[in-house]
Amino acid sequence: AQKITQTQPGMFVQEKEAVTLDCTYDTSDPSYGLFWYKQPSSGEMIFLIYQGSYDQQNATEGRYSLNFQKARKSANLVISASQLGDSAMYFCAMREAQGAQKLVFGQGTRLTINP
Amino acid sequence: ETGVTQTPRHLVMGMTNKKSLKCEQHLGHNAMYWYKQSAKKPLELMFVYNFKEQTENNSVPSRFSPECPNSSHLFLHLHTLQPEDSALYLCASSQEKGTGDNSPLHFGNGTRLTVT
Repeated sequence: AQKITQTQPGMFVQEKEAVTLDCTYDTSDPSYGLFWYKQPSSGEMIFLIYQGSYDQQNATEGRYSLNFQKARKSANLVISASQLGDSAMYFCAMREAQGAQKLVFGQGTRLTINP
Repeated sequence: ETGVTQTPRHLVMGMTNKKSLKCEQHLGHNAMYWYKQSAKKPLELMFVYNFKEQTENNSVPSRFSPECPNSSHLFLHLHTLQPEDSALYLCASSQEKGTGDNSPLHFGNGTRLTVT
């Protein structure tokens, strides 16, 4: 069964606009972590933001924030004031406490920022 | 150097060749990973090493052979590969604190492998 679902294969956004990248997940483990990574064309996976299942507040890191809705099992990434350098693939991923260090990734969303 | 370094960046090999991918992490982490990224597929975990001991082999064919001589270095030895093994191979590391820890993985730039 797919544990991480990213339903948007591609997104096109105007520079300086905010963008939301969708991610839903499936787990029965009460303890888990959700991660977002950015992969530019160079190939490196860059860690952006983390949300723990027991965290009360939504995570924020600079222009990145995570809209965590636990009951709906969604963990959407919000990028404010998008920049041309934000164009990349974005991956949502999850680690379960019982998952033996397995970080499971979604299919990814290709984000293109237009000038 | 900082972070996770992978060499070579690109590799083309025939099906009868033997080659090795190298990964080095300069973050003082205690766990290292190999992931495979094929076109149009999610990243697939291949191997996990904790404190140099292999703790996960995700049903990877034996033509892929990992080696972890110490906590900073990880190799992936390749032999008699198939064209479908062409992919981006990503190495990662993390600092694991115990069961239930959710430390992020830090990735290298990857090795783009083409099998002809």
